[in-house]
Amino acid sequence: SQTIHQWPATLVQPVGSPLSLECTVEGTSNPNLYWYRQAAGRGLQLLFYSVGIGQISSEVPQNLSASRPQDRQFILSSKKLLLSDSGFYLCAWSVGQGTDTQYFGPGTRLTVL
Amino acid sequence: AQSVSQHNHHVILSEAASLELGCNYSYGGTVNLFWYVQYPGQHLQLLLKYFSGDPLVKGIKGFEAEFIKSKFSFNLRKPSVQWSDTAEYFCAVFAGNNRKLIWGLGTSLAVNP
Repeated sequence: SQTIHQWPATLVQPVGSPLSLECTVEGTSNPNLYWYRQAAGRGLQLLFYSVGIGQISSEVPQNLSASRPQDRQFILSSKKLLLSDSGFYLCAWSVGQGTDTQYFGPGTRLTVL
Repeated sequence: AQSVSQHNHHVILSEAASLELGCNYSYGGTVNLFWYVQYPGQHLQLLLKYFSGDPLVKGIKGFEAEFIKSKFSFNLRKPSVQWSDTAEYFCAVFAGNNRKLIWGLGTSLAVNP
């Protein structure tokens, strides 16, 4: 069966520091991968999605970037964190044409101080 | 722009009460519809989905939803809620071939024992 891992689970970082959040999927090949940010009362905001290695689409201009160095690995990064980057970051995967069910990881709670 | 509206932001019920959470979307073409649930401290997980066929779909834990195309709605229902249904509920829609899943802002449900 498929599983999705995210780490770390929680992270506290100072403003201006770099960021690297990792997401890996097991049990499936060539998944579509997604990074979302979830804010209380504001639903889920799609940040990036990827349909294959090295293929990244950005949905919202911001201080973050994403990379997909391997088929089942998706990384969210920042060179310099801002206070506004605080939030709950979710990774998700799907298969097929990208309009099928998305399956979510446990998330990373990021606090920027 | 395509959007999803969840009318109830916070719902408080007593156990055994019936539940209906509203979801409306703004798109006149083919849609794939989802309800996700996030229990406290747990992953966001799929509750049920509709792609085609019978507009009344059944999901996990006794939930069901009805797709009414003429009303652009996909309301979630459960005849008798339990304390364990306390969670955040999200409606989401794929509109046409758009790979971007459009999310409602969520409904927080609290069930009192």
